[in-house]
Amino acid sequence: QVQLVESGGGVVQTGKSLRLSCVVSGFTLRGYAFHWVRQAPGKGLEWVAHISHDGGRTDYADSVKGRFITSRDNSNKTLFLEMKSLTKEDTAVYYCARQNLGPYFDSWGQGTLVSVSS
Amino acid sequence: QSALTQPPSASGSPGQSVTISCTGTSDDIGRYDYVSWYQQESGKAPKLLIYAVSKRPSGVPDRFYASKSGNTASLTVSGLQAEDEADYFCSSYVSTNSWVFGGGTKLTVL
Repeated sequence: QVQLVESGGGVVQTGKSLRLSCVVSGFTLRGYAFHWVRQAPGKGLEWVAHISHDGGRTDYADSVKGRFITSRDNSNKTLFLEMKSLTKEDTAVYYCARQNLGPYFDSWGQGTLVSVSS
Repeated sequence: QSALTQPPSASGSPGQSVTISCTGTSDDIGRYDYVSWYQQESGKAPKLLIYAVSKRPSGVPDRFYASKSGNTASLTVSGLQAEDEADYFCSSYVSTNSWVFGGGTKLTVL
């Protein structure tokens, strides 16, 4: 069945970097665009980034533009989110989500928690 | 891009109907029929509930239905069941390949 599994979260100091991964299974990665969506503790969802099916196009929320980079390795069925210059406001559970049926998120991973502290 | 506006909470008794609103602007909900709704049970990942304003993915009961008028989208849950207790988020595509979510509505089944 369709599965997305994030990893790479943890506790990191303000200003440092972290790289998240999302491994997918149960379908062909290259056929889909993907997104990263985050959720701060007790808060709502926030769209973070999008990557096209071939990686040729990426888009970012203003809150992370210039600091976050998303990429993909279709052969290894893995998505990445490289996060730099982290601040406390980046503390959240980060989900990877598949785009399908149009501009919608039809499958989600279980999320990985990133905690930024001083 | 500002978040879509949802009421923080909603509630209803089993068997009743409850409607959750989601208000955006003419740049998102008002411009595109790309509205979706997600259900998030406590401690779990979100689940796609509604897409393209009113379509249900396979497996979603027809007790969940949604619509849009102008800059506001709405999700109605009819015949409330205990298992419907969750957080509900609306979302809309916005121009230049970006997306926006609502702040979420916590639905309580009394």
